[in-house]
Amino acid sequence: EAGVTQSPRYAVLQEGQAVSFWCDPISGHDTLYWYQQPRDQGPQLLVYFRDEAVIDNSQLPSDRFSAVRPKGTNSTLKIQSAKQGDTATYLCASSSANTEVFFGKGTRLTVV
Amino acid sequence: GDSVTQTEGPVTVSESESLIINCTYSATSIAYPNLFWYVRYPGEGLQLLLKVITAGQKGSSRGFEATYNKETTSFHLQKASVQESDSAVYYCALGEGSGTYQRFGTGTKLQVVP
Repeated sequence: EAGVTQSPRYAVLQEGQAVSFWCDPISGHDTLYWYQQPRDQGPQLLVYFRDEAVIDNSQLPSDRFSAVRPKGTNSTLKIQSAKQGDTATYLCASSSANTEVFFGKGTRLTVV
Repeated sequence: GDSVTQTEGPVTVSESESLIINCTYSATSIAYPNLFWYVRYPGEGLQLLLKVITAGQKGSSRGFEATYNKETTSFHLQKASVQESDSAVYYCALGEGSGTYQRFGTGTKLQVVP
């Protein structure tokens, strides 16, 4: 069974640029999570979906970050006008009602 | 709020020695928190090591074990004899149950030396 797939694996941006991260969850998983993990910290939830609906986006900086999951499968996280403080690894994870949460390998973002 | 505090790393242990990584939690908004240990091996994604959903119970996996202690709000990770292959970053986490998100500690980097 394929795991959670994320792309790209790495991204380097200058401040002010935009970037999109893509996630393909495990087939059949209805819940999809995006976490931000700054260096030397634990993952921190940004947003999560059940099917195509946003369940919690209270930690998503809405002025520059957006996330969608239009068909309840793949998801895209976008950062408009990146800042140095956005430097982190972005993790996507998925689960269903009777499974554990499975994580992708993440996208390491550096904003210079 | 809900939070997790764990042993700051890095932690260096000699092979075949015992290990304990401390984890304490605060669950003010979750009536019955589930507790987890995750591990990230070098070059790999975060993966579940063990979980316990009932206070007083013990979880175990790959020689590691952790007991959910509601009185001391702790969930320490222990192993009697570590191996070099246990070198990884370990994260304690708490959550509300299936299909909900988890709150993570900062992680503890473990290095096992020969």
